[in-house]
Amino acid sequence: DIQMTQSPSSLSASVGDRVTITCRASQGIVNALGWYQQKPGKAPKCLIYAASILQSGVPSRFSGRGSGTEFTLTISSLQPEDFATYYCGQHNSHPRTFGQGTQVEI
Amino acid sequence: QVQLQQSGPGLVKSSQTLSLTCTVSGASVTSTDSYWTWIRQVPGKGLEWIGFISYRGSTNYNPSLKSRLAISVDSSKNQFSLNLSSVTAADTGVYYCLRDRLYSISRYYYYAMDVWGQGTTVTVSS
Repeated sequence: DIQMTQSPSSLSASVGDRVTITCRASQGIVNALGWYQQKPGKAPKCLIYAASILQSGVPSRFSGRGSGTEFTLTISSLQPEDFATYYCGQHNSHPRTFGQGTQVEI
Repeated sequence: QVQLQQSGPGLVKSSQTLSLTCTVSGASVTSTDSYWTWIRQVPGKGLEWIGFISYRGSTNYNPSLKSRLAISVDSSKNQFSLNLSSVTAADTGVYYCLRDRLYSISRYYYYAMDVWGQGTTVTVSS
């Protein structure tokens, strides 16, 4: 199975801050990576797929980069509704695997 | 708008079978561009992929659950279901159904888990 490792596991930030989360895959996955946002008590929501393609309706302050084994999710200007937990997930092969999550808090 | 609605009991006794159903609206379970998937979120273990069923009815299961798992589809009802047998406390968590869909972008193909059900909290009791 492909192991996904996220860093940091949590971070504190303020509204307006630029935030970057990193995800590393244990083997190359080309750009078959998605980023998911989860708020308490809710299902995860797909923000980005194919490492950098924004899902329909997702604000442009979210962006993704990377290929191979290293990927980043950046929120250019953090908004109050962005405080949540973020997961990366690889779509290169089955079983699909996810990072352990990054909690973004105030 | 595609929606997935989950149903099934939230309390299951140890050693019995956990059964959940996901009803799809706005899309077809016979669609060739989708894997109909189950994922669970177990406290302290993050998101765990359980398995999928394709439009052809073929399945792919997480090896750690394979011996206890069955995913099926009912195209007449546009539903797919999860059955996990011999459950223990370790199976307690939130279960999600979702669509893992194939997107075509400039001659390349990418998957995204783009639509999720609302989640079902399952507790295994002794």
